[in-house]
Amino acid sequence: AQSVTQLGSHVSVSEGALVLLRCNYSSSVPPYLFWYVQYPNQGLQLLLKYTSAATLVKGINGFEAEFKKSETSFHLTKPSAHMSDAAEYFCAVSKAAGNKLTFGGGTRVLVKP
Amino acid sequence: DAGVTQSPTHLIKTRGQQVTLRCSPKSGHDTVSWYQQALGQGPQFIFQYYEEEERQRGNFPDRFSGHQFPNYSSELNVNALLLGDSALYLCASSLGVLSGRSYEQYFGPGTRLTVT
Repeated sequence: AQSVTQLGSHVSVSEGALVLLRCNYSSSVPPYLFWYVQYPNQGLQLLLKYTSAATLVKGINGFEAEFKKSETSFHLTKPSAHMSDAAEYFCAVSKAAGNKLTFGGGTRVLVKP
Repeated sequence: DAGVTQSPTHLIKTRGQQVTLRCSPKSGHDTVSWYQQALGQGPQFIFQYYEEEERQRGNFPDRFSGHQFPNYSSELNVNALLLGDSALYLCASSLGVLSGRSYEQYFGPGTRLTVT
């Protein structure tokens, strides 16, 4: 069975500071990995995805993530936080194209002015 | 290009009642997945429909059932509602497996179900 662990349910950063959200996964097969963002009272928006191509993946809104197989990690970063980045972020894993997504518990990001 | 739409936006039901939630996929998509997101948690996979058949199912009881129509829209039905069924129900659409891009799931805004 696959699982996803997001370290830190809440992260507080200052505007302009680095955003780092941690995600570790377990999977019996090479995974597909995703980061989604959820703004209050909204659905999930895909930020970026890893599908066995380049290990450094660039997404929307200046976010990027690096797949590290040896560490079973897929951490999300953004060099400079903006107030609009305040939201909840979910890491998800899938074992195959078209397969179900298994989500982590989420990390809520607060951006301080 | 219309994205994934869901109706209704909010719903309040009483324990023991039945509820039907609806989803229209993104234009061009033929696969629909349903997820339950309890407050403060990540979404949990309920089931997925493709070619009008249930293809995958998560760890949910038979009280949760679904349907996909020829136009690819879908319904989620929950019978004998429990207080614990209160959650945000998310629909996601994607292209079929044969497309080679089926890993991209696009989510709708969700239906907030409250069971009292």
